[in-house]
Amino acid sequence: AQSVSQHNHHVILSEAASLELGCNYSYGGTVNLFWYVQYPGQHLQLLLKYFSGDPLVKGIKGFEAEFIKSKFSFNLRKPSVQWSDTAEYFCAVNAGYYGGSQGNLIFGKGTKLSVKP
Amino acid sequence: SQTIHQWPATLVQPVGSPLSLECTVEGTSNPNLYWYRQAAGRGLQLLFYSVGIGQISSEVPQNLSASRPQDRQFILSSKKLLLSDSGFYLCAWNSGQGANYGYTFGSGTRLTVV
Repeated sequence: AQSVSQHNHHVILSEAASLELGCNYSYGGTVNLFWYVQYPGQHLQLLLKYFSGDPLVKGIKGFEAEFIKSKFSFNLRKPSVQWSDTAEYFCAVNAGYYGGSQGNLIFGKGTKLSVKP
Repeated sequence: SQTIHQWPATLVQPVGSPLSLECTVEGTSNPNLYWYRQAAGRGLQLLFYSVGIGQISSEVPQNLSASRPQDRQFILSSKKLLLSDSGFYLCAWNSGQGANYGYTFGSGTRLTVV
């Protein structure tokens, strides 16, 4: 069965600090990888996704993630965080199939990011 | 454009009372529909998914049930709520053509069972 591990429960940074949130998954086949963000009081939104091709994926708001297949990892990075990045971040994975149960997203437990102004 | 509506936003219910949360999708047809729960400290857990009207699959055994009476309507229910049913419930949809097209989430319902 697929599973997703996010290493940090709560990360506290000052503005302009660099960010890296870890995400590891367990699944031996083709995977699609996602990072979602949930700002306080708002919807869960897609930050970026990886399906194939360049393992370095760029998303919205200056975020990027790198897929390292050999490490089963998909870490999220941002060179310089802002106070507005305070949110909860979820890594998710699904098997590279179409529809049905194989298409379901498996989420990590999430990482709360608090950015101090 | 496609939108997803979920209500109510917050709900406080006593133990043993029934539950009905509704989710509707606009602007698409034959979506895959999902109910997720985000319990404190436990991340997002898939509860139910549906690939068509009347087709419901349950991912985990629990006190809840789901129904899909119409193509773009997904309902989460319980006959008798437990304290452990408290959490944040999210409805989501994606294209029936496959998960590669991404998921869109509703705004969620925060349920507190007292």
